[in-house]
Amino acid sequence: QLQLQESGPGLVKPSETLSLTCIVSGDSISSSNYYWGWIRQPPGKGLEWIGNIYYTGSTYSNPSLQSRVTISVDTSKNQFSLKLSSVTAADTAVYYCARRTYYYDSSGYHGVFDYWGQGTLVTVSS
Amino acid sequence: SYELTQPPSVSVSPGQTARITCSADALPKQYAYWYQQKPGQAPVVVIYKDSERPSGIPERFSGSSSGTIVTLTISGVQAKDEADYYCQSADSSGSYVLFGGGTKLTVL
Repeated sequence: QLQLQESGPGLVKPSETLSLTCIVSGDSISSSNYYWGWIRQPPGKGLEWIGNIYYTGSTYSNPSLQSRVTISVDTSKNQFSLKLSSVTAADTAVYYCARRTYYYDSSGYHGVFDYWGQGTLVTVSS
Repeated sequence: SYELTQPPSVSVSPGQTARITCSADALPKQYAYWYQQKPGQAPVVVIYKDSERPSGIPERFSGSSSGTIVTLTISGVQAKDEADYYCQSADSSGSYVLFGGGTKLTVL
Protein backbone atom coordinates (compact mmCIF):
# COMPACT_ATOMS: atom_id res chain seq x y z
CA GLN A 1 0.00 0.00 0.00
CA LEU A 2 1.47 3.32 -1.09
CA GLN A 3 2.02 5.84 1.69
CA LEU A 4 3.26 9.41 1.58
CA GLN A 5 4.45 11.31 4.63
CA GLU A 6 5.27 15.00 4.78
CA SER A 7 7.98 16.20 7.14
CA GLY A 8 9.49 19.55 7.99
CA PRO A 9 9.30 22.52 10.36
CA GLY A 10 5.85 23.60 11.46
CA LEU A 11 6.93 27.19 12.00
CA VAL A 12 8.83 29.40 9.56
CA LYS A 13 9.74 33.06 9.98
CA PRO A 14 8.65 35.65 7.41
CA SER A 15 11.11 36.16 4.52
CA GLU A 16 12.73 32.77 5.18
CA THR A 17 12.47 29.59 3.12
CA LEU A 18 9.91 26.88 3.82
CA SER A 19 11.33 23.39 3.31
CA LEU A 20 9.31 20.18 3.28
CA THR A 21 10.08 16.60 2.32
CA CYS A 22 7.68 13.86 1.26
CA ILE A 23 8.82 10.32 1.99
CA VAL A 24 7.27 7.72 -0.28
CA SER A 25 6.89 4.11 0.87
CA GLY A 26 5.25 1.11 -0.71
CA ASP A 27 6.32 1.92 -4.27
CA SER A 28 9.30 3.31 -6.13
CA ILE A 29 9.31 7.01 -6.83
CA SER A 30 11.04 6.10 -10.10
CA SER A 31 8.04 4.21 -11.42
CA SER A 32 6.92 5.46 -14.82
CA ASN A 33 3.52 7.14 -15.26
CA TYR A 34 3.73 8.93 -11.92
CA TYR A 35 4.36 12.54 -11.15
CA TRP A 36 4.73 13.63 -7.55
CA GLY A 37 3.05 16.80 -6.43
CA TRP A 38 2.62 19.42 -3.77
CA ILE A 39 -0.75 21.00 -2.96
CA ARG A 40 -1.52 23.43 -0.16
CA GLN A 41 -4.63 24.62 1.66
CA PRO A 42 -4.72 27.82 3.75
CA PRO A 43 -6.85 27.50 6.88
CA GLY A 44 -10.53 27.55 5.95
CA LYS A 45 -9.79 27.91 2.24
CA GLY A 46 -9.56 25.78 -0.87
CA LEU A 47 -6.86 23.68 -2.47
CA GLU A 48 -4.03 25.29 -4.42
CA TRP A 49 -1.69 23.31 -6.66
CA ILE A 50 1.97 24.18 -6.11
CA GLY A 51 3.79 21.92 -8.55
CA ASN A 52 4.73 18.45 -9.76
CA ILE A 53 7.98 16.60 -10.39
CA TYR A 54 8.88 13.47 -12.37
CA TYR A 55 11.60 11.14 -11.14
CA THR A 56 13.90 12.45 -13.87
CA GLY A 57 13.69 15.90 -12.28
CA SER A 58 11.29 17.44 -14.79
CA THR A 59 9.06 19.92 -12.97
CA TYR A 60 5.93 22.00 -13.52
CA SER A 61 4.90 24.73 -11.09
CA ASN A 62 1.95 27.02 -10.57
CA PRO A 63 2.78 30.21 -12.47
CA SER A 64 1.64 32.28 -9.49
CA LEU A 65 4.28 30.66 -7.28
CA GLN A 66 6.89 29.65 -9.82
CA SER A 67 9.42 32.36 -8.95
CA ARG A 68 9.57 31.16 -5.33
CA VAL A 69 9.17 27.40 -5.75
CA THR A 70 11.84 24.73 -6.08
CA ILE A 71 10.82 21.07 -6.25
CA SER A 72 13.46 18.35 -6.27
CA VAL A 73 13.59 14.56 -6.13
CA ASP A 74 16.00 12.12 -4.49
CA THR A 75 15.40 8.71 -6.02
CA SER A 76 18.00 7.05 -3.76
CA LYS A 77 15.93 8.01 -0.72
CA ASN A 78 12.56 7.61 -2.45
CA GLN A 79 11.53 11.12 -1.55
CA PHE A 80 10.86 14.51 -3.05
CA SER A 81 11.06 17.99 -1.58
CA LEU A 82 9.58 21.46 -1.73
CA LYS A 83 11.28 24.76 -1.06
CA LEU A 84 9.26 27.97 -1.01
CA SER A 85 11.31 31.11 -0.58
CA SER A 86 10.50 34.55 0.84
CA VAL A 87 7.46 33.32 2.72
CA THR A 88 4.81 35.60 4.21
CA ALA A 89 1.79 34.98 6.39
CA ALA A 90 -0.17 34.23 3.21
CA ASP A 91 1.89 31.04 2.84
CA THR A 92 0.48 29.65 6.08
CA ALA A 93 -1.31 26.47 5.07
CA VAL A 94 -1.58 22.72 5.32
CA TYR A 95 0.84 21.34 2.76
CA TYR A 96 0.04 18.01 1.13
CA CYS A 97 2.21 15.79 -1.02
CA ALA A 98 0.47 13.49 -3.46
CA ARG A 99 1.03 11.06 -6.29
CA ARG A 100 -0.34 12.07 -9.66
CA THR A 101 -0.92 9.11 -11.93
CA TYR A 102 -0.27 10.43 -15.43
CA TYR A 103 -1.66 8.77 -18.55
CA TYR A 104 -2.16 9.36 -22.25
CA ASP A 105 -5.21 8.70 -24.36
CA SER A 106 -6.65 9.92 -27.64
CA SER A 107 -7.38 13.33 -26.13
CA GLY A 108 -3.89 13.92 -24.75
CA TYR A 109 -2.13 13.73 -21.42
CA HIS A 110 -4.05 13.61 -18.16
CA GLY A 111 -3.48 12.94 -14.48
CA VAL A 112 -5.24 12.31 -11.19
CA PHE A 113 -3.99 12.76 -7.63
CA ASP A 114 -4.80 9.28 -6.38
CA TYR A 115 -2.72 9.07 -3.19
CA TRP A 116 -2.20 11.88 -0.68
CA GLY A 117 -0.17 12.36 2.44
CA GLN A 118 -1.95 13.34 5.63
CA GLY A 119 -0.78 16.94 5.30
CA THR A 120 1.36 19.11 7.54
CA LEU A 121 0.52 22.57 8.85
CA VAL A 122 3.16 25.20 8.25
CA THR A 123 2.69 28.52 10.01
CA VAL A 124 4.59 31.61 8.91
CA SER A 125 5.10 33.85 11.90
CA SER A 126 7.86 35.66 13.71
CA SER B 1 -4.79 29.94 -18.04
CA TYR B 2 -8.37 29.46 -17.07
CA GLU B 3 -10.48 29.04 -13.99
CA LEU B 4 -12.84 26.45 -12.60
CA THR B 5 -15.93 27.85 -10.90
CA GLN B 6 -17.97 25.97 -8.33
CA PRO B 7 -20.92 27.10 -6.18
CA PRO B 8 -19.72 27.78 -2.63
CA SER B 9 -22.42 25.63 -1.06
CA VAL B 10 -25.10 23.06 -1.81
CA SER B 11 -27.66 21.79 0.69
CA VAL B 12 -29.85 18.71 0.40
CA SER B 13 -31.92 16.50 2.69
CA PRO B 14 -30.95 12.88 3.28
CA GLY B 15 -32.06 10.62 0.46
CA GLN B 16 -32.23 13.42 -2.07
CA THR B 17 -29.90 14.03 -5.01
CA ALA B 18 -27.09 16.56 -4.79
CA ARG B 19 -25.61 18.10 -7.92
CA ILE B 20 -22.40 20.09 -7.79
CA THR B 21 -21.29 21.88 -10.91
CA CYS B 22 -17.87 22.98 -12.08
CA SER B 23 -17.60 25.32 -15.05
CA ALA B 24 -14.51 26.17 -17.02
CA ASP B 25 -14.36 29.65 -18.44
CA ALA B 26 -12.31 28.57 -21.41
CA LEU B 27 -11.22 25.58 -23.45
CA PRO B 28 -9.32 23.39 -24.12
CA LYS B 29 -11.15 20.58 -22.53
CA GLN B 30 -9.36 18.37 -20.14
CA TYR B 31 -10.93 15.71 -18.03
CA ALA B 32 -12.32 16.73 -14.69
CA TYR B 33 -11.65 15.01 -11.41
CA TRP B 34 -13.64 15.31 -8.19
CA TYR B 35 -12.23 15.09 -4.68
CA GLN B 36 -14.08 14.74 -1.39
CA GLN B 37 -12.50 16.29 1.68
CA LYS B 38 -13.82 15.83 5.19
CA PRO B 39 -12.65 18.04 8.07
CA GLY B 40 -9.09 17.34 9.12
CA GLN B 41 -8.54 14.80 6.34
CA ALA B 42 -6.73 14.73 3.03
CA PRO B 43 -8.81 14.84 -0.15
CA VAL B 44 -9.95 11.57 -1.72
CA VAL B 45 -10.73 11.19 -5.42
CA VAL B 46 -14.35 10.13 -5.98
CA ILE B 47 -14.57 10.66 -9.78
CA TYR B 48 -11.86 10.67 -12.45
CA LYS B 49 -11.92 11.22 -16.22
CA ASP B 50 -15.22 13.12 -15.90
CA SER B 51 -17.32 10.08 -15.01
CA GLU B 52 -15.21 7.13 -13.90
CA ARG B 53 -15.53 5.93 -10.33
CA PRO B 54 -12.50 4.51 -8.46
CA SER B 55 -12.83 1.18 -6.75
CA GLY B 56 -14.29 1.55 -3.30
CA ILE B 57 -16.33 4.64 -4.11
CA PRO B 58 -20.08 4.02 -3.72
CA GLU B 59 -22.24 3.85 -6.83
CA ARG B 60 -24.27 6.83 -5.66
CA PHE B 61 -21.36 9.03 -6.79
CA SER B 62 -21.41 9.78 -10.51
CA GLY B 63 -19.99 12.38 -12.87
CA SER B 64 -21.00 13.86 -16.18
CA SER B 65 -19.77 16.45 -18.65
CA SER B 66 -21.54 18.77 -21.06
CA GLY B 67 -19.61 21.41 -22.93
CA THR B 68 -17.52 23.32 -20.41
CA ILE B 69 -19.57 22.22 -17.39
CA VAL B 70 -18.93 19.08 -15.41
CA THR B 71 -21.25 17.85 -12.71
CA LEU B 72 -20.81 15.64 -9.69
CA THR B 73 -24.04 13.91 -8.75
CA ILE B 74 -24.61 12.19 -5.44
CA SER B 75 -27.79 10.14 -5.45
CA GLY B 76 -29.50 9.16 -2.22
CA VAL B 77 -27.31 11.49 -0.18
CA GLN B 78 -26.29 10.23 3.24
CA ALA B 79 -25.15 12.16 6.27
CA LYS B 80 -21.62 10.84 5.79
CA ASP B 81 -21.45 12.54 2.38
CA GLU B 82 -21.31 15.93 4.09
CA ALA B 83 -17.93 17.32 3.04
CA ASP B 84 -16.15 19.79 0.79
CA TYR B 85 -15.94 18.78 -2.85
CA TYR B 86 -13.32 20.07 -5.28
CA CYS B 87 -13.15 19.74 -9.02
CA GLN B 88 -9.74 19.62 -10.65
CA SER B 89 -8.55 19.83 -14.21
CA ALA B 90 -5.46 20.87 -16.17
CA ASP B 91 -4.27 22.91 -19.11
CA SER B 92 -4.13 21.50 -22.64
CA SER B 93 -0.73 19.88 -22.04
CA GLY B 94 -2.01 18.14 -18.94
CA SER B 95 0.96 19.45 -17.00
CA TYR B 96 -0.44 22.51 -15.21
CA VAL B 97 -3.07 21.68 -12.64
CA LEU B 98 -5.89 23.79 -11.31
CA PHE B 99 -8.55 23.30 -8.69
CA GLY B 100 -11.99 24.79 -8.39
CA GLY B 101 -12.76 26.84 -5.31
CA GLY B 102 -14.64 24.01 -3.61
CA THR B 103 -18.26 23.38 -2.68
CA LYS B 104 -19.46 22.66 0.83
CA LEU B 105 -22.15 20.00 0.76
CA THR B 106 -24.49 20.22 3.74
CA VAL B 107 -26.86 17.38 4.52
CA LEU B 108 -29.83 18.93 6.29
